[in-house]
Amino acid sequence: LAKTTQPISMDSYEGQEVNITCSHNNIATNDYITWYQQFPSQGPRFIIQGYKTKVTNEVASLFIPADRKSSTLSLPRVSLSDTAVYYCLVGNTGGFKTIFGAGTRLFVKA
Amino acid sequence: GAVVSQHPSRVICKSGTSVKIECRSLDFQATTMFWYRQFPKQSLMLMATSNEGSKATYEQGVEKDKFLINHASLTLSTLTVTSAHPEDSSFYICSASGNERGYNEQFFGPGTRLTVL
Repeated sequence: LAKTTQPISMDSYEGQEVNITCSHNNIATNDYITWYQQFPSQGPRFIIQGYKTKVTNEVASLFIPADRKSSTLSLPRVSLSDTAVYYCLVGNTGGFKTIFGAGTRLFVKA
Repeated sequence: GAVVSQHPSRVICKSGTSVKIECRSLDFQATTMFWYRQFPKQSLMLMATSNEGSKATYEQGVEKDKFLINHASLTLSTLTVTSAHPEDSSFYICSASGNERGYNEQFFGPGTRLTVL
């Protein structure tokens, strides 16, 4: 299983764009990159998933360079409610076990 | 996305008793379910992986006789914490995956807060 490395914490202000980068140097050919958001005392919530290049949905964008050894989650115009822990996971997460890294604790200030 | 529920959402029990936590996939068939434990300010720690109809695979350091996992149907998995002790107090989260819907992701339940007195 590919190991991931993320910043432990980040601070931002409301309305700013936040970019969280995850390193995964040992990513395998068939691995996907998935980001989850977790609020205190809740289960993780799926944000976005990608394999290569760029993926965008209604809440975020995911940028993956050609070598796939890193990825960047981009949250446009964050609000206070985006304060949470964000996890980057690498693997074929469908039916295969997933190992969570430490995650990035994002704190959005007014 | 698919919906996964857990019951109960929180439970308080006395030391030495057993507690059962249910995990249900509400709108899809979950061929694989995962159980995690999360302590305060820490990440999720995978405890075991269960496939419908077969024995669960436990991660290293997780006692299979203490944490009994049953995945008897494609929509239900249960985790039983036997002879619970205060150190078992934690947030238990399940997730489910259903390949038949083409999902390459896990859907997580809301978690169960266990407090052992």
